[in-house]
Amino acid sequence: DAMVIQNPRYQVTQFGKPVTLSCSQTLNHNVMYWYQQKSSQAPKLLFHYYDKDFNNEADTPDNFQSRRPNTSFCFLDIRSPGLGDAAMYLCATSRATTETYEQYFGPGTRLTVT
Amino acid sequence: AQSVAQPEDQVNVAEGNPLTVKCTYSVSGNPYLFWYVQYPNRGLQFLLKYITGDNLVKGSYGFEAEFNKSQTSFHLKKPSALVSDSALYFCAVRFDNDMRFGAGTRLTVKP
Repeated sequence: DAMVIQNPRYQVTQFGKPVTLSCSQTLNHNVMYWYQQKSSQAPKLLFHYYDKDFNNEADTPDNFQSRRPNTSFCFLDIRSPGLGDAAMYLCATSRATTETYEQYFGPGTRLTVT
Repeated sequence: AQSVAQPEDQVNVAEGNPLTVKCTYSVSGNPYLFWYVQYPNRGLQFLLKYITGDNLVKGSYGFEAEFNKSQTSFHLKKPSALVSDSALYFCAVRFDNDMRFGAGTRLTVKP
């Protein structure tokens, strides 16, 4: 089945220690998104890739970076995690940025910062 | 600005009863509205969307939603609730490259 896969499902890192979360998709969608979700709140968009074009949200901290080496994979790098970065990180894909297309989400990676 | 609001943090229903999860929207132009469900420690799952056409939209797992332009609402409904429907439900509107979510409504279905 076509899907969005996130690894790992649970990640524990130390304060200030860089961490990378990964996302892969078999849907062949052009667009990949990264969201941060805290405590059952609404997901907050961090950034997205439309093909190779990177689009950062204005309020996304510089501490968060992303890479998309090919259509299938996208990575979220947190350069120096703080306690406030503990959250669920959701990857999503969409066929295009057109407003009529829904997004498909992966299962998420729960990040704990100690 | 495009936004959605979910006026209820929590909805409780008995199994077998109909359920409604409310959503209102504020959109300039054509509204493109979505419902997602999230189970514990999982990502969001797409349920249904309204783009144009019939005001009653049918989706996954027996859910449907009614688009009401005069009331600017897009309520999620199901005729007969199941205990397994207990989850967090998000209404959303697409705006540019963003999926703007409501605050979420936690649905609890009791046996």
